[in-house]
Amino acid sequence: QSALTQPASVSGSPGQSITISCTGTSSDVGSYNLVSWYQQHPGKAPKFMIYEDSKRPSGVSNRFSGSKSGNTASLTISGLQAEDEADYYCCSYAGSSTFVFGGGTKLTVL
Amino acid sequence: EVQLVESGGGLVQPGGSLRLSCSASGFTFSSYWMSWVRQAPGKGLEWVANIKQDGSEKYYVDSVKGRFTISRDNAKNSLYLQMNSLRAEDTAVYYCARGFVGATPGYWGQGTLVTVSS
Repeated sequence: QSALTQPASVSGSPGQSITISCTGTSSDVGSYNLVSWYQQHPGKAPKFMIYEDSKRPSGVSNRFSGSKSGNTASLTISGLQAEDEADYYCCSYAGSSTFVFGGGTKLTVL
Repeated sequence: EVQLVESGGGLVQPGGSLRLSCSASGFTFSSYWMSWVRQAPGKGLEWVANIKQDGSEKYYVDSVKGRFTISRDNAKNSLYLQMNSLRAEDTAVYYCARGFVGATPGYWGQGTLVTVSS
């Protein structure tokens, strides 16, 4: 049950695109199409952004997209906006109905 | 509208116990997996435990096995987390979350703060 690996921080200017990586192992990210992503603003509860690697829940902007290759999942935010500045967490199913989160990535909009 | 409201947090001494509750509304509670996820101050999210719709299956992160017990009362639309033998490292905001597809946490409550300190 080791945490997934995310970069501590990423940044981008308004209108640009950024990608946040999430690296796991063949026991979690690489074994199941069950990576999810969450956005968390300071002092707020996490918000569900992506599930099953690349699907968006209803109401989530199509500027957010997810993908996966091997043991690494990615979240891409296009057309960066000031309100996207937040912490982002990936989460993967790890077998036996357990889950593991990444350490989180702080996105700064310059 | 899905609503999850946690309660029961507070200050407890090391070795003590606390029971968290999560009151659910806006959906058919008995149809969804439910989870507890915590976040230590200034740290990331950590999955703690989850429970199947009928309570027949329960799973825990290794660090809380034998100390924490997740349970639910579908008649009361409520989720619980009984926390025993609490340690300083259990200090965190505890979030209740509803499964979206399967057990994947989707909708989240606002959290309740648990502080373990003497």
